[in-house]
Amino acid sequence: RKEVEQDPGPFNVPEGATVAFNCTYSNSASQSFFWYRQDCRKEPKLLMSVYSSGNEDGRFTAQLNRASQYISLLIRDSKLSDSATYLCVVTNGGFKTIFGAGTRLFVKA
Amino acid sequence: NAGVTQTPKFQVLKTGQSMTLQCAQDMNHEYMSWYRQDPGMGLRLIHYSVGAGITDQGEVPNGYNVSRSTTEDFPLRLLSAAPSQTSVYFCASSPTGVLQPQHFGDGTRLSIL
Repeated sequence: RKEVEQDPGPFNVPEGATVAFNCTYSNSASQSFFWYRQDCRKEPKLLMSVYSSGNEDGRFTAQLNRASQYISLLIRDSKLSDSATYLCVVTNGGFKTIFGAGTRLFVKA
Repeated sequence: NAGVTQTPKFQVLKTGQSMTLQCAQDMNHEYMSWYRQDPGMGLRLIHYSVGAGITDQGEVPNGYNVSRSTTEDFPLRLLSAAPSQTSVYFCASSPTGVLQPQHFGDGTRLSIL
């Protein structure tokens, strides 16, 4: 089993749709959680950190469920510019970070 | 503010050649790391450093060496290039460690023939 697993997609949604991504992790000692966005052939960029109480940034909402060991990302009112690959990132204690393989999102007009 | 700078952006090598991928950051970050990204896979940690003079292995360290003589620079050396090392390489940094988000360079695309 991979340490961090994501649905690879792709998710194809129309503009204005709400889309949700889930990510599961295997190490119960994981400490920090992030969502990154990666555009085609570009470097990953931080979208948002994920806090235990859940957090929101504009159209984006992140949730953490430690008991079930998953994190989620909700995108509301999707824009064409949201088309990208979304990477789930988990730190496994120590100084190591584990990346999921990413979920591809295509938003169509 | 340059952030994390990687050079070169593209490189083609022959099997058996050696080379160094350069990474520099100007944010005074203590933590730096190298990842490789292959199609259909997430980024995999090669080596990391928690400060000048301190390095450690990540998930896929074989065939790579690193050093950290200054806070700013964290070069990655391929000792004897193999086709399996064809990949996109990203360098990243964060202020003190992985509990904080990492800032990435824009990558080096490396092909080994």
